[in-house]
Amino acid sequence: GQQVMQIPQYQHVQEGEDFTTYCNSSTTLSNIQWYKQRPGGHPVFLIQLVKSGEVKKQKRLTFQFGEAKKNSSLHITATQTTDVGTYFCALTGNQFYFGTGTSLTVIP
Amino acid sequence: NAGVTQTPKFQVLKTGQSMTLQCAQDMNHEYMSWYRQDPGMGLRLIHYSVGAGITDQGEVPNGYNVSRSTTEDFPLRLLSAAPSQTSVYFCASRGQGNWGEQYFGPGTRLTVT
Repeated sequence: GQQVMQIPQYQHVQEGEDFTTYCNSSTTLSNIQWYKQRPGGHPVFLIQLVKSGEVKKQKRLTFQFGEAKKNSSLHITATQTTDVGTYFCALTGNQFYFGTGTSLTVIP
Repeated sequence: NAGVTQTPKFQVLKTGQSMTLQCAQDMNHEYMSWYRQDPGMGLRLIHYSVGAGITDQGEVPNGYNVSRSTTEDFPLRLLSAAPSQTSVYFCASRGQGNWGEQYFGPGTRLTVT
């Protein structure tokens, strides 16, 4: 099946610092989704990217789809304690393939 | 709408026991899936269904069975539990074909001793 590499696995930041997680695929993707999972919770959909080079923003979160549609990133500006959780990218289709996730810890 | 519901929330089984994890959704979604989540492994697809009466295997189907007799329900059966099946299990549903967002249930935390 398809595989997607997600890095880093863990990230600790001071509150107010920025954070970025990356997803990389060896194959061209039709689209990609991002999810957030709070500690002890379930994954919650954040956004879907479809077009080459697409950039979407949700308040302090910026999502980007690479020009070649083989990679994607999620950037959080000025992290807050509410951003704590694990962020997953997912390749869509009949079968969804999730990245291994990046666990974000925000130190107040 | 309740969304996606799962029961039970927690379960402890002994090796060799069988059980069924229940999943239901009230959004009239055609697609439903079961995932297991283990530390450092992300979410791995066990089985999925594209509609009532249709199921297929995902990445890690061994030791699990599913059926989809109605649009609403998608139970997951563990035939003979093994310690390697200790995990958190999530059910999810989505509409809109391959382009839809997935809605996840709250999860079932299963321990096999």
